[in-house]
Amino acid sequence: DIVLTQSPDSLAVSLGERATINCKSSQTILYSSNNKNYLAWYQQKPGQPPKLLIYWASTRDSGVPDRFSGSGSETDFTLTISSLQAEDVAVYYCQQYYGTPRTFGQGTKVEIK
Amino acid sequence: QVQLVQSGAEVKKPGASVKVSCKASEYTFTDYGMHWVRQAPGQSLEWMGWINTGNGNTKYSQRFQGRVTITRDTSASTAYMELSSLRSEDTAVYYCARDGSTSCYPGSCYMDVWGKGTTVTVSS
Repeated sequence: DIVLTQSPDSLAVSLGERATINCKSSQTILYSSNNKNYLAWYQQKPGQPPKLLIYWASTRDSGVPDRFSGSGSETDFTLTISSLQAEDVAVYYCQQYYGTPRTFGQGTKVEIK
Repeated sequence: QVQLVQSGAEVKKPGASVKVSCKASEYTFTDYGMHWVRQAPGQSLEWMGWINTGNGNTKYSQRFQGRVTITRDTSASTAYMELSSLRSEDTAVYYCARDGSTSCYPGSCYMDVWGKGTTVTVSS
């Protein structure tokens, strides 16, 4: 199985400041035939299902604020919230859809400092 | 808007089976595959399997092989996930989630729309 390891497990950021979450894959999730990284990022608030933020590692889903951005390739990926808002308090998960089983990172909890 | 409506909470005894439904609306059901993902209390997300809603082909996580069955009823635009031989560790919220695109390689897609989840509690 492809293991995704997120860092840090939690972080506290002041309102308006940048939050950065990393996701490292145990093997490449870049499919060479289409040059796409099979990685998505989700946001989950308490009592709610996950919400898709980013797919193909860097494509923002429709309606997702542009303060959210994804980057990286092969085994190392980053989700950045450029200016943290109160409504961004949540747990964030990366997920690979390259190998079976699909796997998720352990999650990163983002709070306000 | 696109919606996935899941069946209600279940309480089951160890050894029993549970079948959770996921009814899709406001899109062509057979155009998008459907995943099932679960989340135990306080834990991360765990992918269980996927169904091609068009032809019924399935992919399962080896972790659940033999215990999970995913099916669909195209006339009802509904997908189902049945988990058998339940144990206490199966206590979790079970989600259905739609493939994010019609052009992904079968099963190799992100998940763009999620159901609200169905709580399954396994307790004697």
